[in-house]
Amino acid sequence: AQSVTQLGSHVSVSEGALVLLRCNYSSSVPPYLFWYVQYPNQGLQLLLKYTSAATLVKGINGFEAEFKKSETSFHLTKPSAHMSDAAEYFCAVTVSGGYNKLIFGAGTRLAVHP
Amino acid sequence: GAGVSQTPSNKVTEKGKYVELRCDPISGHTALYWYRQSLGQGPEFLIYFQGTGAADDSGLPNDRFFAVRPEGSVSTLKIQRTERGDSAVYLCASSADGDTQYFGPGTRLTVL
Repeated sequence: AQSVTQLGSHVSVSEGALVLLRCNYSSSVPPYLFWYVQYPNQGLQLLLKYTSAATLVKGINGFEAEFKKSETSFHLTKPSAHMSDAAEYFCAVTVSGGYNKLIFGAGTRLAVHP
Repeated sequence: GAGVSQTPSNKVTEKGKYVELRCDPISGHTALYWYRQSLGQGPEFLIYFQGTGAADDSGLPNDRFFAVRPEGSVSTLKIQRTERGDSAVYLCASSADGDTQYFGPGTRLTVL
């Protein structure tokens, strides 16, 4: 079975500060990992994905994440927060290869203040 | 190109009624998924289609929920005898390669 834990349901940062959103996963098989962003009243938009190539993955809007197998983590970072980054962020895991369902974490709401 | 579309965007119904939610996937995507997102939670898997057939329906909560994809494109999620607990945002996603799922904007279902 697979699962995802997102530490911190709410994170608040100042504009220009580092963004760090934590995600730990559990998987008995090699995983694929994803970060999605959800703006109010909108669907999910893919930020980035890890599919067993490079462990450091760069995504859209300046976000990146590093797959650390030893720590079973896939934390999302951005060096400098922008007001437009305020949204809900979801980490998800799936079984590598094939067409498989995504297992999502509960989400982290990011607030960015001036 | 056009993304995944879902209709209606909002649906309000009364307890006990029947509802249908529609999903139009990205053209050419063979895989289609339905998820349900309750308030304050992450999306939860309901069902996955590969072509016309349901390849995995393990997430459907009970037999009041049913989904079809008769021509391998558009899909309809059907909920019978709706209950207040069915209130949620229903998300549809499609995929061409199995690696990445692209989500629609969702249908917000409210059961009064």
